[in-house]
Amino acid sequence: NAGVTQTPKFQVLKTGQSMTLQCAQDMNHNSMYWYQQDPGMGLRLIYYSASEGTTDKGEVPNGYNVSRLNKREFSLRLESAAPSQTSVYFCASSDTQRGFAGELFFGEGSRLTVL
Amino acid sequence: GIQVEQSPPDLILQEGANSTLRCNFSDSVNNLQWFHQNPWGQLINLFYIPSGTKQNGRLSATTVATERYSLLYISSSQTTDSGVYFCAVERGGGFKTIFGAGTRLFVKA
Repeated sequence: NAGVTQTPKFQVLKTGQSMTLQCAQDMNHNSMYWYQQDPGMGLRLIYYSASEGTTDKGEVPNGYNVSRLNKREFSLRLESAAPSQTSVYFCASSDTQRGFAGELFFGEGSRLTVL
Repeated sequence: GIQVEQSPPDLILQEGANSTLRCNFSDSVNNLQWFHQNPWGQLINLFYIPSGTKQNGRLSATTVATERYSLLYISSSQTTDSGVYFCAVERGGGFKTIFGAGTRLFVKA
């Protein structure tokens, strides 16, 4: 039982390049999330998907797009990477309870550097 | 939006000491979690505790939802307790779990 799996774990991009971070969970959770963590900071919500077929903006959505491919998979895309997007990206999932997010479970993170 | 404040921001302990970390939040919440981010960056679930008290080994947590705070107790600290402790809360119906800035703990051998 792998839990939440993110790929790639490390990536270096040049300014203007695009890339997609992949996330998959095997816990049959309804909801999935992408968070950003800058050095020495807390986590900020980029986008979330409360259920398959829906996506919504979080606190810092600008510069990102997401796709909920199916119940298991939720991807994050950077269309034109900027140095300000150098960060660690975490995917999470939860079993929605009575309309609330419930307990979040995180992947190991993807460290992105934009030169 | 809801504000989450954690204190202290930094804490240095001698191995074996006890400590209390605090999380204050500005509005009513439906969910509250405590996480430990270890030095390798992994986020480890400690407690899912919207209210009440829970214990897990040397760690325990108490949330007083009516007074909008939660406490994380670490007893007999060990060097492996080092890292950052985050409190995260969710208001009702929004699916937006908001994190505090964390308490950075260093336990000296």
